[in-house]
Amino acid sequence: DTAVSQTPKYLVTQMGNDKSIKCEQNLGHDTMYWYKQDSKKFLKIMFSYNNKELIINETVPNRFSPKSPDKAHLNLHINSLELGDSAVYFCASSQAFRVQSKKTQYFGPGTRLLVL
Amino acid sequence: KQEVTQIPAALSVPEGENLVLNCSFTDSAIYNLQWFRQDPGKGLTSLLLIQSSQREQTSGRLNASLDKSSGRSTLYIAASQPGDSATYLCAVTSGNTPLVFGKGTRLSVIA
Repeated sequence: DTAVSQTPKYLVTQMGNDKSIKCEQNLGHDTMYWYKQDSKKFLKIMFSYNNKELIINETVPNRFSPKSPDKAHLNLHINSLELGDSAVYFCASSQAFRVQSKKTQYFGPGTRLLVL
Repeated sequence: KQEVTQIPAALSVPEGENLVLNCSFTDSAIYNLQWFRQDPGKGLTSLLLIQSSQREQTSGRLNASLDKSSGRSTLYIAASQPGDSATYLCAVTSGNTPLVFGKGTRLSVIA
C-alpha cells in the first residue's frame, strides 16, 4: 500500500499552460507539504497545510496555488507555466505540524515536470 | 537563515568499506536533524531522526551523530553494499521551517 502517492509521475507541457499535480496520503496525517527539487537537486519547501489550512508559504509565486479539499489530499495547481518551473515536485505528509515534533515526514515518489 | 551543507557531493567506494557522510548547518538552534535516502526516480526515505537533545541514533549498519553546538552531523555506514548506492540528504528543522535540506551526497558502492 502506497503511503503518499502523486499523479502524474511525469508531466511534459508547453510554456503558458496550466497544470495540476495531485497528492494523496493514506496515513491519517494532519499535515501535508509540497517541495520542489530543482535541476541542481536542491530540495526546498514550497507549502505546508495543516488540517486543510495553509501554514507555510515560502515565497512561492502566486502562479502556484495549493488546494486541500480534505486532510488526505493536497493538490498543486500551476498557472502560466514557465521554463523555470521544470523540476521534480515532491509531496510529503507528517503526523503533526509542530516543528519540534518527533514525527518524520513521509514523501511521495515525485512528479517530474518538464516545461518546453 | 538556516543553510545546510553536505560534503562530499559525490563519493565512490568499493563494497565492504566503512564510510562517513558529513553535514553541517549554520544555525545551531535546531529541533531535530534527519538523514534521508533518495533513489533515482523515487521519493525520499527517512533513515534516521535525531532530536536536538540526542547525540546519536543507530539503525542497522547506519549510525548518525549530532554535535549541535558545532553545527555538524555525520552519517556512518558500516560494511557498505551496492544496495546502499543512492543520494543521501541531510535536513534540519529550525525556526518555523519544517525541513531545510542540504544538496545531498551521491554515493556509489562498487561491487
